[in-house]
Amino acid sequence: EPEVTQTPSHQVTQMGQEVILRCVPISNHLYFYWYRQILGQKVEFLVSFYNNEISEKSEIFDDQFSVERPDGSNFTLKIRSTKLEDSAMYFCASNRGPGELFFGEGSRLTVL
Amino acid sequence: AQSVTQLGSHVSVSEGALVLLRCNYSSSVPPYLFWYVQYPNQGLQLLLKYTSAATLVKGINGFEAEFKKSETSFHLTKPSAHMSDAAEYFCAVTTDSWGKFQFGAGTQVVVTP
Repeated sequence: EPEVTQTPSHQVTQMGQEVILRCVPISNHLYFYWYRQILGQKVEFLVSFYNNEISEKSEIFDDQFSVERPDGSNFTLKIRSTKLEDSAMYFCASNRGPGELFFGEGSRLTVL
Repeated sequence: AQSVTQLGSHVSVSEGALVLLRCNYSSSVPPYLFWYVQYPNQGLQLLLKYTSAATLVKGINGFEAEFKKSETSFHLTKPSAHMSDAAEYFCAVTTDSWGKFQFGAGTQVVVTP
């Protein structure tokens, strides 16, 4: 069964460093998303991406964040200068259109 | 705007007993509702979804949920808990049916022998 894959599964970084989280969505999906879950808190929407551009973003998704689909398979989330409060599990998701979201297993980011 | 409230952050059930997880939503337009399960160190897996068809929705692993518009609820049930049901369960809502979901805070289910 096709699945969304994410790398790395866990990344530890120093505050102020840049981080790139990578995702390979399901191959025939057209819509891509990033969510995050701070430990003990809700899963929160960050951004949606379609047709090579951001379609919607939340208040969390400020100028420190960016997304890119550099080729036909990868979808990346970049955090330019990490802060302690960026520590969270980041989930990539994709779908073909309205309805169910298919999630990856997440990338745990720890900012020291 | 839409929102989701899950009552009870932790639920403990005995093996073989009924599992009942509560979810209430707030939405100004007809919602699409979902239950996801998260096993330890894994991603979110869809259990079931309501997308304006039948109000009683059956999902995987013996779970089902009933959409009650009058109560703005979408509670998740399973008649008989199994040890493998131990996980965190999330209710989610969207109104535009695309990918911007609002998730509840989650309910951690513990199953005791």
